[in-house]
Amino acid sequence: LAKTTQPISMDSYEGQEVNITCSHNNIATNDYITWYQQFPSQGPRFIIQGYKTKVTNEVASLFIPADRKSSTLSLPRVSLSDTAVYYCLVGPGGSSNTGKLIFGQGTTLQVKP
Amino acid sequence: DADVTQTPRNRITKTGKRIMLECSQTKGHDRMYWYRQDPGLGLRLIYYSFDVKDINKGEISDGYSVSRQAQAKFSLSLESAIPNQTALYFCATSARTGGDEQYFGPGTRLTVT
Repeated sequence: LAKTTQPISMDSYEGQEVNITCSHNNIATNDYITWYQQFPSQGPRFIIQGYKTKVTNEVASLFIPADRKSSTLSLPRVSLSDTAVYYCLVGPGGSSNTGKLIFGQGTTLQVKP
Repeated sequence: DADVTQTPRNRITKTGKRIMLECSQTKGHDRMYWYRQDPGLGLRLIYYSFDVKDINKGEISDGYSVSRQAQAKFSLSLESAIPNQTALYFCATSARTGGDEQYFGPGTRLTVT
């Protein structure tokens, strides 16, 4: 499974857009990029998944360049409740998914008033 | 009602004791997983099950065993608990074709003294 690298922590203010970048230089052809969010003492929650280009849902956007060696999770207009740890995961997805998720340390996002 | 429930939510036990953590789900998913999380770290996979008759070891299965009693129930046992098994334990489920989107329970905080 491809190794991912993301910043340990980030700070932001309410109302700002936050972009968290994840590096995955060894991503394989059948790998998807998935992001999870975790609040303290809760289980992680799926946010978004993508394979290439851009994916958007009601919570976030995911930007993936053509070489797929990195990806950026974009959270529009964050609020205090977006303070959490965000995990970037890379692994076989779609019909090739193995169900085996590898969580790194994640990025701790602190949103300030 | 929560889709994935875990019991107990908190447990303190002594070294050498046998303990079982239980997980139940109402999502109708085939796949179930057990993870542990240590402070400041991501989640690590202990065991996973793709159906009732399929049990697989994860990356840190030593000292643990599991039982898949039914599609909806997946139990994790510590045969002889030791202090370094003190951690937050999460159960998760996913659909057969959606292994990347896992639904996590609220967690069990286990302390081994």
